Amino acid sequence: RKEVEQDPGPFNVPEGATVAFNCTYSNSASQSFFWYRQDCRKEPKLLMSVYSSGNEDGRFTAQLNRASQYISLLIRDSKLSDSATYLCVVAPKGGTSYGKLTFGQGTILTVHP
Amino acid sequence: NAGVTQTPKFQVLKTGQSMTLQCAQDMNHEYMSWYRQDPGMGLRLIHYSVGAGITDQGEVPNGYNVSRSTTEDFPLRLLSAAPSQTSVYFCASSYVGGIDTEAFFGQGTRLTVV
Repeated sequence: RKEVEQDPGPFNVPEGATVAFNCTYSNSASQSFFWYRQDCRKEPKLLMSVYSSGNEDGRFTAQLNRASQYISLLIRDSKLSDSATYLCVVAPKGGTSYGKLTFGQGTILTVHP
Repeated sequence: NAGVTQTPKFQVLKTGQSMTLQCAQDMNHEYMSWYRQDPGMGLRLIHYSVGAGITDQGEVPNGYNVSRSTTEDFPLRLLSAAPSQTSVYFCASSYVGGIDTEAFFGQGTRLTVV
């Protein structure tokens, strides 16, 4: 079983739609959680961190359920520019291990006019 | 404003050749790492370093060597290239801080081994 699992999609949605991505992780000792965005043939970039209380950044809302080991990302009012691959990322507990990121395989989103 | 710089951007190697992928960061980050990205696999950690002189293995270290003589540089060496090492390689850096420390990635090196 992969340590971080995502539905690879692809998700094809019209502009203005709301789309949700899910992710599960297997290591209960995981400490840090993120969503990264990767444009085609580019490097990953941090979209947002994910906190237990849930957090929002504009049109993006992230949720974490530690009991179910489940992470989600909700995108409201999708824009053409949201088309990208969204990577679910977790990091283990403990000091300098924070930088040891484990990635899901990514979920491809295409927003069309 | 350089951030993390990787060279080369593209490389074709013959099986058995060796080469070094370069990675440099100008943000004074303690933590640096190398990942490879293959279709359907996500990014997988090859090697990482928590500071100059300290390195450790990640998930897929076989066939690769690293060293960290300075804070800024973290080269990845392929000892004897194999077709299975055809991949996109990303170097990343971050400071060793709170639990939500951001990792900054280089633009990647696309390596083909024939």
